[in-house]
Amino acid sequence: RKEVEQDPGPFNVPEGATVAFNCTYSNSASQSFFWYRQDCRKEPKLLMSVYSSGNEDGRFTAQLNRASQYISLLIRDSKLSDSATYLCVVNMGGYKYIFGTGTRLKVLA
Amino acid sequence: DAGVIQSPRHEVTEMGQEVTLRCKPISGHNSLFWYRQTMMRGLELLIYFNNNVPIDDSGMPEDRFSAKMPNASFSTLKIQPSEPRDSAVYFCASSLVAGGLADDEQFFGPGTRLTVL
Repeated sequence: RKEVEQDPGPFNVPEGATVAFNCTYSNSASQSFFWYRQDCRKEPKLLMSVYSSGNEDGRFTAQLNRASQYISLLIRDSKLSDSATYLCVVNMGGYKYIFGTGTRLKVLA
Repeated sequence: DAGVIQSPRHEVTEMGQEVTLRCKPISGHNSLFWYRQTMMRGLELLIYFNNNVPIDDSGMPEDRFSAKMPNASFSTLKIQPSEPRDSAVYFCASSLVAGGLADDEQFFGPGTRLTVL
């Protein structure tokens, strides 16, 4: 079993739709969690950290469920510019970051 | 700040040739990471430096790979000899610290797209 698993997608959604991605992790000792965004042929960039109580940044909401070992990302009112690959990242302590292989999102006009 | 700088952006070489990838981290960042990204395996950590010292190179695939960080503003990843299976995108990333904290952001360079024929 992979340490971090994501549905590769693609998720094809119309503009304005709400879309949610989940990511599961295998190590219960995982310490911190992040969502990174990667545009085609570009580098990953931090979208948001995921806090235990859940957190929101504009149209984006991240949730953590430690009991079930998954994190989620909800995007409301999708924009064309949201089209990208979303990487789930789990920190195992210190410098050890495990990246998921990503979920592709395509927002359609 | 210019962000993390990597060169070259693209490299096409023939099997058996030496390849050197270069990285300049963000000034003041103490942690430097080299990653390799492929479709099948995603982003994999190759080596991690802290304050210019290699801390963990367990991700380096084999002896053909080596990395150095002679000073705080420069690192290299060398592959010698290169093989077709080394074809991937190689990213360098830096962060202020690497303590696993929720606010601990990694900043990635634009990557080097390596093709070994």
